[in-house]
Amino acid sequence: DGGITQSPKYLFRKEGQNVTLSCEQNLNHDAMYWYRQDPGQGLRLIYYSQIVNDFQKGDIAEGYSVSREKKESFPLTVTSAQKNPTAFYLCASSTLAGGTSSTDTQYFGPGTRLTVL
Amino acid sequence: AQSVTQPDIHITVSEGASLELRCNYSYGATPYLFWYVQSPGQGLQLLLKYFSGDTLVQGIKGFEAEFKRSQSSFNLRKPSVHWSDAAEYFCAVGAPEYGNKLVFGAGTILRVKS
Repeated sequence: DGGITQSPKYLFRKEGQNVTLSCEQNLNHDAMYWYRQDPGQGLRLIYYSQIVNDFQKGDIAEGYSVSREKKESFPLTVTSAQKNPTAFYLCASSTLAGGTSSTDTQYFGPGTRLTVL
Repeated sequence: AQSVTQPDIHITVSEGASLELRCNYSYGATPYLFWYVQSPGQGLQLLLKYFSGDTLVQGIKGFEAEFKRSQSSFNLRKPSVHWSDAAEYFCAVGAPEYGNKLVFGAGTILRVKS
């Protein structure tokens, strides 16, 4: 089955720790995205990547880092610099059929809920 | 920059009643428009999308949406709601000059009463 997987489903972090959230897709999509979801605020873009070894900051990148070493994988690290990391994190992917300036449908993974203890 | 407003935070409808969820966007030209649905603790599932052409778009699960340029709206409708439709619904907007980024509304939580 093609799709997007995120792991773990639940993650607990102590203050001062870095944690890494996994996102893998087997849809052969070029672009991948990380969103943060808080109640009543919709989804906010953290980082996105259109090609391997390249990524751009979204609207709320501070305190987060990413890598894109493989087309299929786009892990997100929540660093200790992120002061309020408790949230639901969603990964998405899309084609770039129309090029890097096009808008294509984004498909989402099941999410990871991060809680700071 | 484009923006999206979903004016209703919560909506409650009776099972079998019709449903309309509102979405208004701010963008000078015709944007790309999406509706997604999210069950609690889950990811988002695409219901339907509008890129161009016929302004009435059919989606999955019996949903449809109509793009109205004059009102800058893309409201989601369903003629008869089922209890399983209870979820949170998100409208999203994209535009050519913003590449493949989407802007999401804050969401509308749908409750279905029997």
